[in-house]
Amino acid sequence: DTGVSQDPRHKITKRGQNVTFRCDPISEHNRLYWYRQTLGQGPEFLTYFQNEAQLEKSRLLSDRFSAERPKGSFSTLEIQRTEQGDSAMYLCASSFFGSGETQYFGPGTRLLVL
Amino acid sequence: KNEVEQSPQNLTAQEGEFITINCSYSVGISALHWLQQHPGGGIVSLFMLSSGKKKHGRLIATINIQEKHSSLHITASHPRDSAVYICAVSFMIKAAGNKLTFGGGTRVLVKP
Repeated sequence: DTGVSQDPRHKITKRGQNVTFRCDPISEHNRLYWYRQTLGQGPEFLTYFQNEAQLEKSRLLSDRFSAERPKGSFSTLEIQRTEQGDSAMYLCASSFFGSGETQYFGPGTRLLVL
Repeated sequence: KNEVEQSPQNLTAQEGEFITINCSYSVGISALHWLQQHPGGGIVSLFMLSSGKKKHGRLIATINIQEKHSSLHITASHPRDSAVYICAVSFMIKAAGNKLTFGGGTRVLVKP
């Protein structure tokens, strides 16, 4: 399978704990996006990378959130001191800049903070 | 106020009916995307449009740049078309990369 993969698919955690999600994009894609989707809503942009550079962060991304893409391949999204409001589906997408930029989405990581 | 508005929010159709979902946006865009999301979360890109019309099987997407409006049509709808359809745009702002701004989605249920 050469699509976008995300791990884990589901995560249940207690308020105050830290969680980390991983996204593996399609191998030749140089852009990687993180989005968040709450129940019944459309996704919202969080941040994106071109290669290893984080080029934009949404104001939705508080100081408790950090994302990395250290070698320009996989990316991690960490949430520190989770809050119940962080419960959502976290979606990763990748694209190849310059090809018309269709974004290919992973299956998402569903986070539930108790 | 969301910069991308979709209508209707929910739609129920009988199998075989023609379905139309509408999307309007507020400022100039570089591209508009129609996405499909099935229960469980996976999102699939259906179309990316910057002008005109595209067709794939029973799906047709159109865009009117002057009116800032796009439609997704499903012909001869089938129960397997039941999903949430999401309109998303990338704006003509150089610093924005090609991040997507999403509409709220249209939940489509096709009954047999």
